[in-house]
Amino acid sequence: GAVVSQHPSWVICKSGTSVKIECRSLDFQATTMFWYRQFPKQSLMLMATSNEGSKATYEQGVEKDKFLINHASLTLSTLTVTSAHPEDSSFYICSAKGLGFANEKLFFGSGTQLSVL
Amino acid sequence: TQLLEQSPQFLSIQEGENLTVYCNSSSVFSSLQWYRQEPGEGPVLLVTVVTGGEVKKLKRLTFQFGDARKDSSLHITAAQPGDTGLYLCAGAETSGSRLTFGEGTQLTVNP
Repeated sequence: GAVVSQHPSWVICKSGTSVKIECRSLDFQATTMFWYRQFPKQSLMLMATSNEGSKATYEQGVEKDKFLINHASLTLSTLTVTSAHPEDSSFYICSAKGLGFANEKLFFGSGTQLSVL
Repeated sequence: TQLLEQSPQFLSIQEGENLTVYCNSSSVFSSLQWYRQEPGEGPVLLVTVVTGGEVKKLKRLTFQFGDARKDSSLHITAAQPGDTGLYLCAGAETSGSRLTFGEGTQLTVNP
């Protein structure tokens, strides 16, 4: 089956630094990728939708200058948390929708646990 | 905006018991999915239902899509500790539209 690789799995950083999270579709082309944020034992909150070669669409309340998303190719999307602060600590997950698959089919990455000190 | 209400939010049961998780909305969905997620990992798709009244079985798990395609349920028979996890329902209003996730049900099955 299709695989989405998310890297890193976890990251600890100092307050004020920027952190980049990568989401790669390994064996399919991802036309659309989604980025979510999740707090412990809670559901996924959609942050933004990115389509290859165009600007990401952010959900209401998500700061686009804070969470930079780049979807430069059909196999890679990145989320950069700029000037991270402790309140940005969370579990971030990406998912991808691919060419040739049913529209409802989403493939999820394994998530990135971000801890900002 | 679609809203998916999932209940219960937390459920702690003993091994061998049965349970049902509900996912309800006032909106009609073209499809509805159920996921299971373990700590520190991404959600794993369990099933997709697309037809009103549809029932799908996956070993001890039974999934049902309401006739009006506004609600769904997940029933687990003889729960096992390995069933412990966060169960999420997610619906798409139209084919190809983004998924709306329910609030999740944290299930703990005690040995």
